[in-house]
Amino acid sequence: DGGITQSPKYLFRKEGQNVTLSCEQNLNHDAMYWYRQDPGQGLRLIYYSQIVNDFQKGDIAEGYSVSREKKESFPLTVTSAQKNPTAFYLCASSILAGGINPDTQYFGPGTRLTVL
Amino acid sequence: GNSVTQMEGPVTLSEEAFLTINCTYTATGYPSLFWYVQYPGEGLQLLLKATKADDKGSNKGFEATYRKETTSFHLEKGSVQVSDSAVYFCALSDLRFFSGGYNKLIFGAGTRLAVHP
Repeated sequence: DGGITQSPKYLFRKEGQNVTLSCEQNLNHDAMYWYRQDPGQGLRLIYYSQIVNDFQKGDIAEGYSVSREKKESFPLTVTSAQKNPTAFYLCASSILAGGINPDTQYFGPGTRLTVL
Repeated sequence: GNSVTQMEGPVTLSEEAFLTINCTYTATGYPSLFWYVQYPGEGLQLLLKATKADDKGSNKGFEATYRKETTSFHLEKGSVQVSDSAVYFCALSDLRFFSGGYNKLIFGAGTRLAVHP
């Protein structure tokens, strides 16, 4: 079955450490996205990528970094510069303009990050 | 800028009750509108969508109609079940980004629904 996988489901980090969240999709989607979800709030966009080796900052990119070396993979690194990293992180993907349902994003199951 | 406003939760209903979750939006142009559902501890699942005025999206007994005159996309279900308990997010696609291939979704804060037997 096609879909998006995120790992790990739960992640604990000590203050001052960098940590990388995995996101893989086998939907053959070109665009991928990272969102952050805090309790009682909607999702906020961290980074997005249209093609391999290209990515753009979203609304809250400070303290985060990404890479897009493969079409299927879009890992997110939460750096020690992120002041309040404890949150639920969601990865999503979509096709690009010109395809069927280009404006629909499909989400992974999420990773809950807790900073100790 | 573009924004989405949802009714605050939690919404608590008895099984088989009628559900309405209000959603209004502010946007330039003609964005697509979405409802996503999030079950506890999981990611978001697309519930339904509408791409133009007067379109009705429907899925699993849920419906929502794109009302441009009132800038609304209210979610309704005639008879809720315990299994519908979840958080529901209204969202719109920001067309300012769309032309470049990206699709930025603007989300509401979410409305928690709790259905009791």
